Amino acid sequence: DAKTTQPNSMESNEEEPVHLPCNHSTISGTDYIHWYRQLPSQGPEYVIHGLTSNVNNRMASLAIAEDRKSSTLILHRATLRDAAVYYCILRRRQGGSEKLVFGKGMKLTVNP
Amino acid sequence: DTGVSQDPRHKITKRGQNVTFRCDPISEHNRLYWYRQTLGQGPEFLTYFQNEAQLEKSRLLSDRFSAERPKGSFSTLEIQRTEQGDSAMYLCASSFGTGLDGYTFGSGTRLTVV
Repeated sequence: DAKTTQPNSMESNEEEPVHLPCNHSTISGTDYIHWYRQLPSQGPEYVIHGLTSNVNNRMASLAIAEDRKSSTLILHRATLRDAAVYYCILRRRQGGSEKLVFGKGMKLTVNP
Repeated sequence: DTGVSQDPRHKITKRGQNVTFRCDPISEHNRLYWYRQTLGQGPEFLTYFQNEAQLEKSRLLSDRFSAERPKGSFSTLEIQRTEQGDSAMYLCASSFGTGLDGYTFGSGTRLTVV
């Protein structure tokens, strides 16, 4: 499975934008970039995904580099509820089975 | 629909005992996944069902682990002869179609083997 690289942790301030980076230099043409987050004592939560173009939804924006070797999850206005572990994952279809392969993720701390 | 439900939320068992966990996915979701998560690590894939068919099983899953999804609805994960190394959070997720729009995870079952 193609790997992603994220910082171990980041800090941000409440009500400020935060940019969470992810490197995926071995991405293949059919890999989708997915982001999930996990709050303490909960299962992961889907945030956003994209292939080539930038994507926006009610939770966040995803900016994808032109060469697709990196991407950035953007939280436009961080809240305390956004403090979580964020996972950047490449979603690959292999042999009719799809699965998400999680790394260790990146812990986001939001300061009040 | 209240999402993916897992039961029990917590389970403490003695080493060597068998345990069974249940997952009720979102009703219209045809795909169901089991993951295991230990402290400080991301979730680790265990197995995957499309409807009632088990399509993939992780090589990390020993013969003591078995999962079923009868009639393509709820699923059970059984661990036989539990070991202390089985202590973890067991997560279930479901998705519709290809799952490209995201998996919905349950809150997990926390297993402690003493």
